[in-house]
Amino acid sequence: QQQVKQSPQSLIVQKGGISIINCAYENTAFDYFPWYQQFPGKGPALLIAIRPDVSEKKEGRFTISFNKSAKQFSLHIMDSQPGDSATYFCAASGGSQGNLIFGKGTKLSVKP
Amino acid sequence: DSGVTQTPKHLITATGQRVTLRCSPRSGDLSVYWYQQSLDQGLQFLIQYYNGEERAKGNILERFSAQQFPDLHSELNLSSLELGDSALYFCASSTVLGGEQFFGPGTRLTVL
Repeated sequence: QQQVKQSPQSLIVQKGGISIINCAYENTAFDYFPWYQQFPGKGPALLIAIRPDVSEKKEGRFTISFNKSAKQFSLHIMDSQPGDSATYFCAASGGSQGNLIFGKGTKLSVKP
Repeated sequence: DSGVTQTPKHLITATGQRVTLRCSPRSGDLSVYWYQQSLDQGLQFLIQYYNGEERAKGNILERFSAQQFPDLHSELNLSSLELGDSALYFCASSTVLGGEQFFGPGTRLTVL
């Protein structure tokens, strides 16, 4: 019930293409869904986050789509660039404490 | 730069030893979270402190302990180290409980 399932495990996209990463959760108490970007040797960096009261949130080239009934959310990276090559983690939390449950990560490679 | 600092960056030690990892949260952040990242387990929540008090525990071993000091910095103590404890240990901080979490650069622990 505490799991967040992320797919795909790895993704190769051409420069200028759209990268799509999907996550699913079971715990209906989750109310905060962030995405993190991690480069090798660095800590995860908060990219964008959403709460269940909206179905979509866009920040620049990054968009989160949220489907509450299906308990799924996804990250879309438009106009993907080689500099976007990194590992992306979805996460979820619920309740007042806020500790994050992470997906297993997606390694994105954007080919020039 | 997230504003969260962690020391040391790297730590190499032997089985059975004890180490202390240190984290300084962003200025003004009262909540500190510790996470472990390993290849097989991914990113896992260990423990959370808020304004000096323990607020939540995750998959933290009994050999591990943590505390948050009056100046809000936190230390994670790992004892009786085993080979399987080799991992990246991240600290994150947030302003309020359940708020956006910002991660530090991590401490890479290698147990030989």
